[in-house]
Amino acid sequence: LAKTTQPISMDSYEGQEVNITCSHNNIATNDYITWYQQFPSQGPRFIIQGYKTKVTNEVASLFIPADRKSSTLSLPRVSLSDTAVYYCLVEGAAGNKLTFGGGTRVLVKP
Amino acid sequence: NAGVMQNPRHLVRRRGQEARLRCSPMKGHSHVYWYRQLPEEGLKFMVYLQKENIIDESGMPKERFSAEFPKEGPSILRIQQVVRGDSAAYFCASSPPSGNEQFFGPGTRLTVL
Repeated sequence: LAKTTQPISMDSYEGQEVNITCSHNNIATNDYITWYQQFPSQGPRFIIQGYKTKVTNEVASLFIPADRKSSTLSLPRVSLSDTAVYYCLVEGAAGNKLTFGGGTRVLVKP
Repeated sequence: NAGVMQNPRHLVRRRGQEARLRCSPMKGHSHVYWYRQLPEEGLKFMVYLQKENIIDESGMPKERFSAEFPKEGPSILRIQQVVRGDSAAYFCASSPPSGNEQFFGPGTRLTVL
C-alpha cells in the first residue's frame, strides 16, 4: 500500500484559496488518488478522485503532476464551514480497503 | 435515498460487556466496510463484507471482534468482553457493486467504562 504524507494542519481565512499537497512516492500504476473530508463527529465524505493531470468538480480541484508522486487538493474561496480534516488516500482500482493517514486539519478563520 | 444508517450513535458499556453496532447500507449497496477511529487519528480499516460473506478481515483484531452481513437486515459489528481500549468511533461505509466510492455513516461512539 502506498503511504501518503500531508501537512498536519493549515490555517486560512474566509475567501482564500487553500491548497493541500500530499506526497505518495510509492504510488502504483493502477492506484487512484482520492480525497475525503471529515467534520467533527461525522463520517468522512468523498470530495474528489483523480488518476492524472487535473480533475475539477463543484467543490474542489485536484492537480496531479506527470510523475504522480504527489497531488494537490485545491479548495477555492473557503468559508468557515470548510473547517475540517482532509484526508489524502491512494488506493487501487478496486478500492476495497481505504487507508487513512493522519489527515490535514484545516482551520478557516473569519 | 437515505444515506448509510448506524445505530446506536452512542453506546456506553462496562468492561466485560458486549457491544453490538449496527449498520444499514444505502439502498442498492451490497458492500459494507467497518472502520475504527481513535481520537485525533485517521480511520483504520477493520473488515469488508458482502452479503453473507466476509471478503477481507485483515484489520480485525484476532479475538473478541466479529462482523456479519446477513442476507436480510443490517450488518453487525460485535465486540465481546469490551475493554477500555475499545473506546473509539466505529464507522460503517457502503458501496454499490460496480463502484469503489465509499459512503460513510455517522458513526457509533463506543465508550467503555
